[in-house]
Amino acid sequence: GENVEQHPSTLSVQEGDSAVIKCTYSDSASNYFPWYKQELGKRPQLIIDIRSNVGEKKDQRIAVTLNKTAKHFSLHITETQPEDSAVYFCAASTLYSSASKIIFGSGTRLSIRP
Amino acid sequence: GAVVSQHPSRVICKSGTSVKIECRSLDFQATTMFWYRQFPKQSLMLMATSNEGSKATYEQGVEKDKFLINHASLTLSTLTVTSAHPEDSSFYICSATIAGARSSYNEQFFGPGTRLTVL
Repeated sequence: GENVEQHPSTLSVQEGDSAVIKCTYSDSASNYFPWYKQELGKRPQLIIDIRSNVGEKKDQRIAVTLNKTAKHFSLHITETQPEDSAVYFCAASTLYSSASKIIFGSGTRLSIRP
Repeated sequence: GAVVSQHPSRVICKSGTSVKIECRSLDFQATTMFWYRQFPKQSLMLMATSNEGSKATYEQGVEKDKFLINHASLTLSTLTVTSAHPEDSSFYICSATIAGARSSYNEQFFGPGTRLTVL
């Protein structure tokens, strides 16, 4: 089955700097890669996603890149703000059916220093 | 966006009792629902996939007789933790997907979670 690895487990950056979180996946059949932000005690929130037919996607301060050959994908947050502090999860899935499972990475706890 | 609710949000029970958690899709019909468990400072671990009108598919290592799942309608799935023990204390989260034009990404819509504490 699919296995998603995520690094780093914790990340502390100065407010205004950029943060990068990296993930790898094992199943070449995966073609959908969502990223979630989870605040303490809350549900995961989808912040951005990318399909395997696209190499990069950007939404304001957030961007994701995907390297299908290397099975790597990354989340980039620019101009970080205090409200970006949370746990971020990468995930991998397929778009073939509504029953497709989402496999989560282990999470990255991002802290933004004022 | 699509809304998923869970009930209860928090439950505290004694060891040996059973606890039922409901997951409802409020404004759409969910052909598939997923149940996750999340221990403190850990990731979401998929427990089972629930399809309306059929038996749930459990992930490896998840006891189907301990975690009973019933997906009786297109808007409701329930997870019953039977004979709960302290090690079952966790944050249980459900999600739902919708087939068809509304969800071209097969996006999963998450419920707010249920925090279970077993004394």
